Amino acid sequence: SQQGEEDPQALSIQEGENATMNCSYKTSINNLQWYRQNSGRGLVHLILIRSNEREKHSGRLRVTLDTSKKSSSLLITASRAADTASYFCATDYGGNNRKLIWGLGTSLAVNP
Amino acid sequence: DTAVSQTPKYLVTQMGNDKSIKCEQNLGHDTMYWYKQDSKKFLKIMFSYNNKELIINETVPNRFSPKSPDKAHLNLHINSLELGDSAVYFCASSQGGIQETQYFGPGTRLLVL
Repeated sequence: SQQGEEDPQALSIQEGENATMNCSYKTSINNLQWYRQNSGRGLVHLILIRSNEREKHSGRLRVTLDTSKKSSSLLITASRAADTASYFCATDYGGNNRKLIWGLGTSLAVNP
Repeated sequence: DTAVSQTPKYLVTQMGNDKSIKCEQNLGHDTMYWYKQDSKKFLKIMFSYNNKELIINETVPNRFSPKSPDKAHLNLHINSLELGDSAVYFCASSQGGIQETQYFGPGTRLLVL
């Protein structure tokens, strides 16, 4: 299976702390995307990082990509209660039958 | 304005019934998708259409039949519903192919009794 894996599966922190989630994948990728899913809602795109990029920022979010380790991390700085959600990585392996392969997600709880 | 909308939001039905879920996007995107998310939040692609043409058809039972009357709509019809079909079904769209950002609908929560 090409399915990516996030870790940790669950993370609980206090407001103001940083949260780091990791995603590992199996083979070479074209790009990797991070999405957020609030409870009972659809997924919302956060950041797309291409295979030739190493780091991207968007507001309080920072994504890194290490293709040698086949892993990516999502860092949320100065977390807020509103950041409570599940976070998913999705990888584009390219090739025939191209599709996004989704990880199982990290459930983040930010406590006020 | 809702970018990707789905109806209904909730669907409770009996085994053996046939049901449809509708999806519409007003983003002008070329590609639309159906995903299934199970109770463990695992998200799996089912189908993808590009300009009304089927481009991804994962190993989904043929009880599931997508229909795209135009590039803004992608509907999902399910025949002979089974207990295992209970899940949340998400519609999504993207400009261009799957490598681009996908925009998701709010989901349809299907419960088969």
